[in-house]
Amino acid sequence: EAGVAQSPRYKIIEKRQSVAFWCNPISGHATLYWYQQILGQGPKLLIQFQNNGVVDDSQLPKDRFSAERLKGVDSTLKIQPAKLEDSAVYLCASSLARLGYGYTFGSGTRLTVV
Amino acid sequence: KQEVTQIPAALSVPEGENLVLNCSFTDSAIYNLQWFRQDPGKGLTSLLLIQSSQREQTSGRLNASLDKSSGRSTLYIAASQPGDSATYLCAVGPYNFNKFYFGSGTKLNVKP
Repeated sequence: EAGVAQSPRYKIIEKRQSVAFWCNPISGHATLYWYQQILGQGPKLLIQFQNNGVVDDSQLPKDRFSAERLKGVDSTLKIQPAKLEDSAVYLCASSLARLGYGYTFGSGTRLTVV
Repeated sequence: KQEVTQIPAALSVPEGENLVLNCSFTDSAIYNLQWFRQDPGKGLTSLLLIQSSQREQTSGRLNASLDKSSGRSTLYIAASQPGDSATYLCAVGPYNFNKFYFGSGTKLNVKP
């Protein structure tokens, strides 16, 4: 089966600019997650979707971050405006919407804000 | 809130050694636990998934154990190789929609 696809792989932007990341989950996976991983730390959940709906966005900085999942498949994560501390790897993962199943991660997008 | 801790943060061993990575969690009401490997600049690759009803899982040279009551999991790597050098992360999943909580990882370096 095809894995979780993410693009772009790398992005360098100046602070106060905007940026968007794209994720295509594994076919049939109803649950999609966006994680932020700062260098040297474990991934931190930003937002979790179940089909089209948001299950958990409690740690999403909503003043600058937004995410959507169109038709319960692809998802985009946007940052506007970016800050220096947003420099991180942004990981997308998907899972079957059933307890007991693990995650499959994409390769991530490395964002550098200068 | 679930807290996941991994010790040590970094580990350097000579090739061929058997080694153990540790993961502890504060809330024992978990549904499963997953071990991942992360190479520099890459995403996470799943290694092993242990359900709460299981005690261990094995894949090749890897063996993961789970002791829910004590809030601990270990990842055992037999006969380590330089290609095992990576960061190893554990993640615990509670009883709600597979939301996983991650530790900060153990960075492993296996020297030839």
